[in-house]
Amino acid sequence: DTEVTQTPKHLVMGMTNKKSLKCEQHMGHRAMYWYKQKAKKPPELMFVYSYEKLSINESVPSRFSPECPNSSLLNLHLHALQPEDSALYLCASSRPGTGSEKLFFGSGTQLSVL
Amino acid sequence: RKEVEQDPGPFNVPEGATVAFNCTYSNSASQSFFWYRQDCRKEPKLLMSVYSSGNEDGRFTAQLNRASQYISLLIRDSKLSDSATYLCVGSNDYKLSFGAGTTVTVRA
Repeated sequence: DTEVTQTPKHLVMGMTNKKSLKCEQHMGHRAMYWYKQKAKKPPELMFVYSYEKLSINESVPSRFSPECPNSSLLNLHLHALQPEDSALYLCASSRPGTGSEKLFFGSGTQLSVL
Repeated sequence: RKEVEQDPGPFNVPEGATVAFNCTYSNSASQSFFWYRQDCRKEPKLLMSVYSSGNEDGRFTAQLNRASQYISLLIRDSKLSDSATYLCVGSNDYKLSFGAGTTVTVRA
């Protein structure tokens, strides 16, 4: 297993902006995840894609829109965010179907919404 | 009630000491358990899986007690580099439940 790559590492955006977070892995993992983490809190699951299909949406507001163009890529489109959405956004991947979902995380995008 | 609960610490220990801490889980359907380590402003990294039979990885020993629904982590011969937040994780298919983390600080 190698790594999960996220871009950008840091992002500052206004509440009217549209931006996208990108995640890429070449480990052949067929499950990909978006997590949100606030300071001194555990990661909170947002979305899970399994075999490029959205399988879990943890009641995330529609201003966050995930996209999985292929088995290696995962995007998170952001629009009209609020200051309270400022957080570390983590992408992760795993091999589904093993019964033991070990997650491999990217280094995250630190997002600040002004 | 949170699915996974941990003592937040912090545990402040001298180098060379042994430190141990637990977490409890409420979802009996959880299938797999893990310990992740997270350094400040970094991503969580898998430390080890946890098995009912108990398992060791160098100075780290993990244990799962399904009857009492708790997981433990023991660190022997603590190093300065062990200072981090340790996250207890329970897994049920794709849904991983993270504990809030236990902060360990190893001092010289």
